[in-house]
Amino acid sequence: TQLLEQSPQFLSIQEGENLTVYCNSSSVFSSLQWYRQEPGEGPVLLVTVVTGGEVKKLKRLTFQFGDARKDSSLHITAAQTGDTGLYLCAGADTGTASKLTFGTGTRLQVTL
Amino acid sequence: DTEVTQTPKHLVMGMTNKKSLKCEQHMGHRAMYWYKQKAKKPPELMFVYSYEKLSINESVPSRFSPECPNSSLLNLHLHALQPEDSALYLCASSPQGQGYWDTQYFGPGTRLTVL
Repeated sequence: TQLLEQSPQFLSIQEGENLTVYCNSSSVFSSLQWYRQEPGEGPVLLVTVVTGGEVKKLKRLTFQFGDARKDSSLHITAAQTGDTGLYLCAGADTGTASKLTFGTGTRLQVTL
Repeated sequence: DTEVTQTPKHLVMGMTNKKSLKCEQHMGHRAMYWYKQKAKKPPELMFVYSYEKLSINESVPSRFSPECPNSSLLNLHLHALQPEDSALYLCASSPQGQGYWDTQYFGPGTRLTVL
């Protein structure tokens, strides 16, 4: 069974601070997605990373896929209140791309 | 356009009722998914349809019955549910459902309450 552990589970910071969320596994994934989810809504795709060592930047968000494709990180620079939400990483199985293994989730609260 | 729509937004049903959840996408995606999400937990995969054929059933109880009438539509028929089935039901779609990577796009979900 593939598992994705996210850390930290909860993070409460003030606007303007930087933060990093980690997503770790002992399994190899063919790709990894990051989603943000608001309460009662569906997850919204932020990024897909495919290549080991890949780094993608989306404005203040930087995503990295580990060289061995077993782990990933999300770094947010100068957090804003609009970044508040549940962040989920999800790894695609190398055997069956349809099956996503979701991480345990990181709940981020950004306050003024 | 990366939109997946789901109806209804909220549904309350009794244990003897029969209801259906609907999902639609017009992105030309050939794979569609049903997930169940309990509070403060990540989504759990229920079913996968690839090219309108059921390809994955994650040992879901028969009181949940999926249907894929065409490549744009996905239904989940509900019958004789239990209170513990109350959850957020998410639909997702992806371009192919095959190959070495395939990004899934999620709908807004249906909040189901079983009384």
